[in-house]
Amino acid sequence: ELKVEQNPLFLSMQEGKNYTIYCNYSTTSDRLYWYRQDPGKSLESLFVLLSNGAVKQEGRLMASLDTKARLSTLHITAAVHDLSATYFCAVDEETSGSRLTFGEGTQLTVNP
Amino acid sequence: ETGVTQTPRHLVMGMTNKKSLKCEQHLGHNAMYWYKQSAKKPLELMFVYSLEERVENNSVPSRFSPECPNSSHLFLHLHTLQPEDSALYLCASSQYTTKNTGELFFGEGSRLTVL
Repeated sequence: ELKVEQNPLFLSMQEGKNYTIYCNYSTTSDRLYWYRQDPGKSLESLFVLLSNGAVKQEGRLMASLDTKARLSTLHITAAVHDLSATYFCAVDEETSGSRLTFGEGTQLTVNP
Repeated sequence: ETGVTQTPRHLVMGMTNKKSLKCEQHLGHNAMYWYKQSAKKPLELMFVYSLEERVENNSVPSRFSPECPNSSHLFLHLHTLQPEDSALYLCASSQYTTKNTGELFFGEGSRLTVL
């Protein structure tokens, strides 16, 4: 069974600081997705990582994928309050064909 | 039309009621999903319809019944629910292949409260 672990689960940081969220998974996969969820809202797709070494950047967020280490990172640069949300990674298991397995989510709070 | 639309957005029902959640996708995808999101729990995949097949999580109680009349519409029929079924129910769609799920596009969710 595929396991997806995110850490930290809770992150409180100050504006202007940098931090990284980690997503580890337990089986072979070269497709990983990052989503953002605001309180009371649905999930919004942030990044699609489709191969080893993939790196995507959007504004202050950068995501990368290392399939050999079974690790993805979501790096936050110079955080701002608007980035406060819960971030999920999801792994597409190579043999599943019909499911993504989500991590528990990282609740990020950016304080002024 | 936005990509994936869900109705109703909020639903309050008693334990003896029967209601349905509706989802429609306008993305031309071939797979649709129901997820349950409860407070402080990971997202739980309930049902998948892909390539006209249904895949379900065996832990989902029979009081939840999905229906997928075509590739654009998905329903979740609810009957004799329990208070612990109160949650956010998310519909999603993707362009699925036999090897990969594909990127999921989510609807806004239906917030269900069971009294």
